[in-house]
Amino acid sequence: DQQVKQNSPSLSVQEGRISILNCDYTNSMFDYFLWYKKYPAEGPTFLISISSIKDKNEDGRFTVFLNKSAKHLSLHIVPSQPGDSAVYFCAAKWAGNMLTFGGGTRLMVKP
Amino acid sequence: DGGITQSPKYLFRKEGQNVTLSCEQNLNHDAMYWYRQDPGQGLRLIYYSQIVNDFQKGDIAEGYSVSREKKESFPLTVTSAQKNPTAFYLCASNKDQGGGWQPQHFGDGTRLSIL
Repeated sequence: DQQVKQNSPSLSVQEGRISILNCDYTNSMFDYFLWYKKYPAEGPTFLISISSIKDKNEDGRFTVFLNKSAKHLSLHIVPSQPGDSAVYFCAAKWAGNMLTFGGGTRLMVKP
Repeated sequence: DGGITQSPKYLFRKEGQNVTLSCEQNLNHDAMYWYRQDPGQGLRLIYYSQIVNDFQKGDIAEGYSVSREKKESFPLTVTSAQKNPTAFYLCASNKDQGGGWQPQHFGDGTRLSIL
């Protein structure tokens, strides 16, 4: 039973445009949501998080939106750059330190 | 520089062989984790440890074993009982909840393949 789902396995965006990556979850007990970025053959790098009591968190070009009623979160990258090309994982935190990950979305930013 | 070091980067296992993946951190983190990533899939938790000399099974612990004898080290053994060990293995760590929550930091992974 996948509690965190990323329904789009891949996304292609033109450089300078907005990238929107989506994530759905089913468990209302998650208290934080996170986005990680991963390059091939490397470990994931933490990007941004949001508390379940917030609806938006912004850090530079990255903004995460949380819609609790829809159990949906999204990551917006504006403007997108070729270096943003990577696999993005959303994750949800529960029981203190535990994370449940989505399956990932491969973002390709074309120059 | 503080970080998480996983070794080796690539590892090959023969049939019936146990292999051990190393994970060392110098971040003074209390909690450590092992994940497995298969192609096109997310990370799945194998084992975790929140304190020295204690560890818990994750979602896919069968065929794996761990130890936590030192705070800095959390080695993972892939035993011969693990029938499909080919995967990318990731180690992570973070501070214990009592110190205020922080995101998990990851090492660069070990890719395990079967000969």
